[in-house]
Amino acid sequence: AQRVTQPEKLLSVFKGAPVELKCNYSYSGSPELFWYVQYSRQRLQLLLRHISRESIKGFTADLNKGETSFHLKKPFAQEEDSAMYYCALVQRTSYGKLTFGQGTILTVHP
Amino acid sequence: DVKVTQSSRYLVKRTGEKVFLECVQDMDHENMFWYRQDPGLGLRLIYFSYDVKMKEKGDIPEGYSVSREKKERFSLILESASTNQTSMYLCASTQTPPFSGGSYNEQFFGPGTRLTVL
Repeated sequence: AQRVTQPEKLLSVFKGAPVELKCNYSYSGSPELFWYVQYSRQRLQLLLRHISRESIKGFTADLNKGETSFHLKKPFAQEEDSAMYYCALVQRTSYGKLTFGQGTILTVHP
Repeated sequence: DVKVTQSSRYLVKRTGEKVFLECVQDMDHENMFWYRQDPGLGLRLIYFSYDVKMKEKGDIPEGYSVSREKKERFSLILESASTNQTSMYLCASTQTPPFSGGSYNEQFFGPGTRLTVL
């Protein structure tokens, strides 16, 4: 069965420091992974997806199939990055059904 | 530019009441989903629908049912609300990829309904 694990419930960093939100997954097929973000009082929205290989708001995430990880990284955190972050894996055979991790609350202090 | 709407932001109900949560999307998406969001548990899928009148159970369907009579509308029903159903409920929609093996598009989420069952 597929599973997504985010080991950190809470992560605090200071502005300008590097940040890494961890995500590990288990999936028997070829994974398609996403990071979703929920800012305070806003709806959950897509941040980035691994197949796009983009940098969004300074964030990047590399799929490491050997380590079954999809960590989210940003070299210099900003206060506006404070939010809840979810890693998610899509089940390709089931209409885009997502399996989410438990979420990590990132707080960036001034 | 709102694409997924939910009927209520906040709802307070009593134990045993029948509760309806409505979700509407205007993107002509085939697939719609209901999740509940709880601290430390992330988002858990309750039910999803891949076409009108078609539905499948998610990971935690017990105590819930759904209805999809029109493509744009997906309703979540709590037949007899209980206190352990107090939660944030999120609706989402997405489009099926145009071909087999194609990449899935993002899911678009509604603002959520915070349900409190007393």
